[in-house]
Amino acid sequence: DTEVTQTPKHLVMGMTNKKSLKCEQHMGHRAMYWYKQKAKKPPELMFVYSYEKLSINESVPSRFSPECPNSSLLNLHLHALQPEDSALYLCASSQNPQGDGYTFGSGTRLTVV
Amino acid sequence: GDSVTQMEGPVTLSEEAFLTINCTYTATGYPSLFWYVQYPGEGLQLLLKATKADDKGSNKGFEATYRKETTSFHLEKGSVQVSDSAVYFCALIGYGGSQGNLIFGKGTKLSVKP
Repeated sequence: DTEVTQTPKHLVMGMTNKKSLKCEQHMGHRAMYWYKQKAKKPPELMFVYSYEKLSINESVPSRFSPECPNSSLLNLHLHALQPEDSALYLCASSQNPQGDGYTFGSGTRLTVV
Repeated sequence: GDSVTQMEGPVTLSEEAFLTINCTYTATGYPSLFWYVQYPGEGLQLLLKATKADDKGSNKGFEATYRKETTSFHLEKGSVQVSDSAVYFCALIGYGGSQGNLIFGKGTKLSVKP
């Protein structure tokens, strides 16, 4: 298995909702990442998990809450989002924290209404 | 800090034309260099990579050579197809880089017309 699987592919949520994005990989990668990508822009790093521990939080608002239950799974819990949070959310993984090319999932297209 | 500069798009070509997308970088030491491709509505796919000077990455007819003397990693393809229409991102990870520092260029949109 050489894929990063993200669910759901599309999500529409209201500003008072709570939802979660899920990411899974079975490549034995020990680093996992959340990125946010706005239209016509490159991805922006949000969080890095290294060996299941949060190692980087790029000053992301607390309405985004990451979780890494085990080495294969990464979640992003969403609460009280704003319309400007609408974007493509990408999960990625790499063999180790220093990175040797990341494997990206196909993303979750999030719309906040 | 480390950075990547790539040519602004969009780039529009006819099928079977030659493609070059320029990418230059600024980094200390010896970064690893990557090209990622993003097809419409999808995530990023690693297209090719090079980890040291003079390495040539290649995949699906695309090539790029790590040129330390010119700090460049230009993407080339001899004959593009309509299916190559996508956004291409040049990226680097700094040598000995800390985790999460995959640094992207702004992306170049390629449109190939039949």
